[in-house]
Amino acid sequence: GAVVSQHPSWVICKSGTSVKIECRSLDFQATTMFWYRQFPKQSLMLMATSNEGSKATYEQGVEKDKFLINHASLTLSTLTVTSAHPEDSSFYICSANEREQFFGPGTRLTVL
Amino acid sequence: GQQLNQSPQSMFIQEGEDVSMNCTSSSIFNTWLWYKQDPGEGPVLLIALYKAGELTSNGRLTAQFGITRKDSFLNISASIPSDVGIYFCAGRNYGGSQGNLIFGKGTKLSVKP
Repeated sequence: GAVVSQHPSWVICKSGTSVKIECRSLDFQATTMFWYRQFPKQSLMLMATSNEGSKATYEQGVEKDKFLINHASLTLSTLTVTSAHPEDSSFYICSANEREQFFGPGTRLTVL
Repeated sequence: GQQLNQSPQSMFIQEGEDVSMNCTSSSIFNTWLWYKQDPGEGPVLLIALYKAGELTSNGRLTAQFGITRKDSFLNISASIPSDVGIYFCAGRNYGGSQGNLIFGKGTKLSVKP
């Protein structure tokens, strides 16, 4: 149980385009999901907490207009990186709460 | 802010050896979690600890919630090549929401066959 999927697993895009990443809880419902960013050889950095049916809560220093989060159902949260730039290239990982946080497999974003 | 000190940063061991890593916190936690991350993948939850002094096993893995509530360790017995990866500790303090996990910087484990 407690399986979380992400799509896509990797994406390459041109600078200035927007990219949407989906996070799904496959075998449970999650009112709360989390989005993390991870740079190479570093730990996970929490970006925002996604709450079903309400606005996401962003961590300090994370631009809410840059990283749009939508949690429209109990099994799906999306992260849209708007007007992506090379510095947004990173590994994005979501997690969902089933007593504890269970993580998705991650999405590798490369912005050219 | 709160910090988790995880050590060692990296370990190079021979297959069959036992491994020990630990995390210490500057403040009290009510939950300690241990995750393993393989390259290019998301972290996988290994063990969750909820009570001071609790000792929990998951196969060859054993983790303990320190009595002081400020530390936890993870032991891996008889290591095998598939144990290779990065191990993260994570803690949650009293009053924190489910999202307020604080992560250690990870311990990179390499196992020599």
